[in-house]
Amino acid sequence: KNEVEQSPQNLTAQEGEFITINCSYSVGISALHWLQQHPGGGIVSLFMLSSGKKKHGRLIATINIQEKHSSLHITASHPRDSAVYICAVNTSYDKVIFGPGTSLSVIP
Amino acid sequence: EAGVVQSPRYKIIEKKQPVAFWCNPISGHNTLYWYRQNLGQGPELLIRYENEEAVDDSQLPKDRFSAERLKGVDSTLKIQPAELGDSAVYLCASSLRTPNTIYFGEGSWLTVV
Repeated sequence: KNEVEQSPQNLTAQEGEFITINCSYSVGISALHWLQQHPGGGIVSLFMLSSGKKKHGRLIATINIQEKHSSLHITASHPRDSAVYICAVNTSYDKVIFGPGTSLSVIP
Repeated sequence: EAGVVQSPRYKIIEKKQPVAFWCNPISGHNTLYWYRQNLGQGPELLIRYENEEAVDDSQLPKDRFSAERLKGVDSTLKIQPAELGDSAVYLCASSLRTPNTIYFGEGSWLTVV
């Protein structure tokens, strides 16, 4: 079993839809990251969370430490949101473990 | 502020040849990572530096890969000799210290033929 899992693996949405990507982990963590990678592009950090909720524009990230679960929400999705979204955690022993990624495609 | 800078962006070499990648992290960032990313997969850590010390190189294939971070700033990753299976994107990233926001470079795309 992978230490960081994401669901769904692939997601197709219509423009304007509300999107949720989930991340669950099985190790102790000091922080959780949500990253975005466009095809052929570099990786961009969207959020770093250790508790609660953060919002940036149309993106919202939440984390529940007790349940070892985080969600990334995209409101009013747009084709430019099409990318791979990666959940990664800083473990309690300072390793960074990446999830497998969720490939999102937003159709106009 | 400049981001993490990597070079070269693209490299095509024949197998058994050497190759080197260079990374300049964001100024002041103590932690530097080298990752390898294969197509359709997430990044896998090769080595992590805290300043000039390699604190995690457990996943670095030491028979052919080497890395250094002189003076705790720039870093180079070398492969010698390269194999076909080394074709991947080599990503450098940095952060102030762990845990903290991780900033990635654009990556160095290696194709071994």
